[in-house]
Amino acid sequence: GEDVEQSLFLSVREGDSSVINCTYTDSSSTYLYWYKQEPGAGLQLLTYIFSNMDMKQDQRLTVLLNKKDKHLSLRIADTQTGDSAIYFCAESLKGSQGNLIFGKGTKLSVKP
Amino acid sequence: DAGVIQSPRHEVTEMGQEVTLRCKPISGHDYLFWYRQTMMRGLELLIYFNNNVPIDDSGMPEDRFSAKMPNASFSTLKIQPSEPRDSAVYFCASGRMYNSPLHFGNGTRLTVT
Repeated sequence: GEDVEQSLFLSVREGDSSVINCTYTDSSSTYLYWYKQEPGAGLQLLTYIFSNMDMKQDQRLTVLLNKKDKHLSLRIADTQTGDSAIYFCAESLKGSQGNLIFGKGTKLSVKP
Repeated sequence: DAGVIQSPRHEVTEMGQEVTLRCKPISGHDYLFWYRQTMMRGLELLIYFNNNVPIDDSGMPEDRFSAKMPNASFSTLKIQPSEPRDSAVYFCASGRMYNSPLHFGNGTRLTVT
């Protein structure tokens, strides 16, 4: 079945780059997403990538997709304390009519 | 655009009571999803609707859970009777079309004592 795996924790220093990794199992994924969840809030869409792309850049965010290895990463440049949150990777499967499969989330802690 | 609106933000109830969670999706979005989030299990899809019609309710844990979408701007998730293991944060999300990104509400934190 479908499964999305992420490491649970990542700690970085302010100003460094953060790289959050995700692996997925279903090769029929059409879109892959990164969501951010701050305490007490819902999930906020950060960025997404279509499965036929290798990379997408949006200001401080860079998404890399290795479809052969089913590996997705999110790089945050110049990480700030405001980036501290839980980051969820999600895949949208072909034929799933919009259902997303989420990973369990990576908690990013940014130390000053 | 007000985003997805959920109410209440917090609900504390006693075991055995009926609980109703409410959601107003973003106008024009054809898909509506109910998720449950716990520390142990992460985000679980409970049910989703397309054009007010339930498409997949295989994630609904038991018959105690039911969801309705009487019109395009309103959905409810009901738990009756509630149990302590139902304690979680329940999120509603909506999407414009097939494979479009989902927009989440801020969730309802349910505590059943």
